[in-house]
Amino acid sequence: QSALTQPASVSGSPGQSITISCTGTSSDVGGYNYVSWYQQHPGKAPKLMIYEVSNRPSGVPDRFSGSKSGNTASLTISGLQAEDEADYYCSSYTSSSTWVFGGGTKLTVL
Amino acid sequence: QVQLQESGPGLVKPSQTLSLTCTVSGGSISSGGYYWSWIRQHPGKGLEWIGYIYYSGSTYYNPSLKSRVTISVDTSKNQFSLKLSSVTAADTAVYYCARGSVSDIVVDAFDIWGQGTMVTVSS
Repeated sequence: QSALTQPASVSGSPGQSITISCTGTSSDVGGYNYVSWYQQHPGKAPKLMIYEVSNRPSGVPDRFSGSKSGNTASLTISGLQAEDEADYYCSSYTSSSTWVFGGGTKLTVL
Repeated sequence: QVQLQESGPGLVKPSQTLSLTCTVSGGSISSGGYYWSWIRQHPGKGLEWIGYIYYSGSTYYNPSLKSRVTISVDTSKNQFSLKLSSVTAADTAVYYCARGSVSDIVVDAFDIWGQGTMVTVSS
C-alpha cells in the first residue's frame, strides 16, 4: 500500500485560511468515507482533528473542517492561529482492511 | 478518561525481537467497540500503521510488516502488546499505541494515543 500524497508544507498568516490536500486512490480515499486528520506538535503524540471525512471530535474548534472529492480529501483551517502551527497527517481505511497515512504536511503560521 | 501508556526496552539489538506493551487505563479493553492499534513514526518522518487487534483476538496487519509482526491482547491485565521480529536499523522509530474507534464494523479513526516510546535498533 502506498502512502497518501500530501504537500510537504503550507503556510499562512494569522486569521487567514489554508487547505491541505490528501490524494489517494479509489481503493482508499475515494472508496471510503473513513478519512481522518491528525495534528502533531513537535515531540507530541498525534491528535485526532477530523474523522469520517468531515466530523470533528468534541473539543476540536470549528475552525477545522474536512471534505472529500473523488480520491482527494482536504483539511481546511480558517482563522489561522499561532497554535495551529504543527504537522498534519491524513489517513484512510483501505480496501485491504488496512490503514494508510499521508506523508505529512508542515503548517507554518507566518 | 481512557489513557494509553507504552512500555518496553528503548534499545534492541539487530536481528532480535522488539517487544512493547500498551497499558490501557480508564476503560476496559474487553468492553468492545474498539480496535487496539500500533503505529510508528521513523525519526523526522511520517506515520506508519503497523496493525491492530480486537479484544477477541482478531488482528489486522500492515502487509509490508505482516511476516514479522504479532499483536496480542491480555484482557486480564488490560494490555495489548507488539512483537516485531528480526529487527534492523530501519525499525528505529517512535512507537505509539492508539485506540481505533469502530463505526459499523470498521475502524473509522484513531481517537486516543499514547505518548509514544522511542525504540532504537543498534548493537
